Amino acid sequence: AQSVSQHNHHVILSEAASLELGCNYSYGGTVNLFWYVQYPGQHLQLLLKYFSGDPLVKGIKGFEAEFIKSKFSFNLRKPSVQWSDTAEYFCAVSQQTGANNLFFGTGTRLTVIP
Amino acid sequence: DVKVTQSSRYLVKRTGEKVFLECVQDMDHENMFWYRQDPGLGLRLIYFSYDVKMKEKGDIPEGYSVSREKKERFSLILESASTNQTSMYLCASSSQGSNTEAFFGQGTRLTVV
Repeated sequence: AQSVSQHNHHVILSEAASLELGCNYSYGGTVNLFWYVQYPGQHLQLLLKYFSGDPLVKGIKGFEAEFIKSKFSFNLRKPSVQWSDTAEYFCAVSQQTGANNLFFGTGTRLTVIP
Repeated sequence: DVKVTQSSRYLVKRTGEKVFLECVQDMDHENMFWYRQDPGLGLRLIYFSYDVKMKEKGDIPEGYSVSREKKERFSLILESASTNQTSMYLCASSSQGSNTEAFFGQGTRLTVV
């Protein structure tokens, strides 16, 4: 069965600090990879996605993620966080063949202190 | 813009009640999903559907059923609500194909008392 691990449960940063959130998955086949964000009181929104091609993916609001196939990882990064980045971040994986339902990690809560 | 609409933002139900959560999408997506979101557990898939009248169990289907009579609508049914079903329920939809993303509704926070 597929699984997605997010090792950081709660991250607290000051504004302008750099961010890296870890995500590892277990699946031997070809996958699609996603980061979703949930701002307080709002619905899940797609931050960025990787289907194929350049393993460095740029998303909205200055976020990026790097797919490292050999490490089964898809870590999320941002060079300088803002207070408005306070949210919960979810990594997700789906298979490219067959059933394409999403498997989610447990989420990482990011708190940015002004 | 894709819109996934869940009929209620908040619901309070009594133990033993039959509960219906409704979800409608307006982008002609073939796939629809129901997840529940709990602190520290992320999102867990309850049921999904690839087509009208088709349904597949996800990771935690016990205590739930679903109905998809029309392409745009996917209903989650709690046959007899229990307190451990208090949770945030999220509906999502996506098109078929290998490279697709899912779009989510705003969620229904269900409290069973």
